Amino acid sequence: GEDVEQSLFLSVREGDSSVINCTYTDSSSTYLYWYKQEPGAGLQLLTYIFSNMDMKQDQRLTVLLNKKDKHLSLRIADTQTGDSAIYFCAESKDDYKLSFGAGTTVTVRA
Amino acid sequence: DVKVTQSSRYLVKRTGEKVFLECVQDMDHENMFWYRQDPGLGLRLIYFSYDVKMKEKGDIPEGYSVSREKKERFSLILESASTNQTSMYLCASSLFRYEQYFGPGTRLTVT
Repeated sequence: GEDVEQSLFLSVREGDSSVINCTYTDSSSTYLYWYKQEPGAGLQLLTYIFSNMDMKQDQRLTVLLNKKDKHLSLRIADTQTGDSAIYFCAESKDDYKLSFGAGTTVTVRA
Repeated sequence: DVKVTQSSRYLVKRTGEKVFLECVQDMDHENMFWYRQDPGLGLRLIYFSYDVKMKEKGDIPEGYSVSREKKERFSLILESASTNQTSMYLCASSLFRYEQYFGPGTRLTVT
C-alpha cells in the first residue's frame, strides 16, 4: 500500500545474507511485521517488532528498526533455497488492522 | 495447530453472478479479516469483523459485503461479480493484534 513501501525483487546467492528493506510513513505505528508467502500458500508471520525496540533476532532472522527514518529491514543469514518466497512488510497502530507493502519477491540462486 | 481454511482454492465465475467465499477458523479468535492480493499492490483490506455480527469496512469495501453469524465463520460476498474482482482472496483471523493467521487463499477468476 501507499503507507508501506518495499522494493519488488531481490536476487541472492545461496549461502549469502539477504536484506529486505521497507519504509513506512506513519510515525504512530506501534507494531511492524514481516510475513512470508510461499508459492500457492497464504501468509505466515515470520517475526514482529514493537516500535520501542531497535533490533530483534530470531535464529537466522534479524530485524532492524530505525524509527527516525521510518525504515525497517529483515536480514536472513545463510539464505537457503527454501527462503525463496514473497516477503511482506506490514505495520499497525493501536487497532487490529494491518497495512501491507506490495511484497518483495526473493529468488535464491545456486 | 492453528488452522484457517477457505472453501475453495480456485473458483471461476461469470460476470453478474453472486459469489460466496467462506472462511473458517478453529482457534476461537475474535477477529477475522478479508483481504485481496494483487501483484504489485500487496494485500488490501476489504472488511474485518471483531465479533459475531459485527463488521467494519476496510480500505476497499465497494462491491463486497460480509457476514459473520458464528464466531468461527466469516463469509465474503460479491453481490454481482465483475471482471475487476478477479484476484486472490485471503482470509485471516487473530486473537492478539500482532499475529494474524492466514488461510491458503482463493484464486477467483471472473469471466
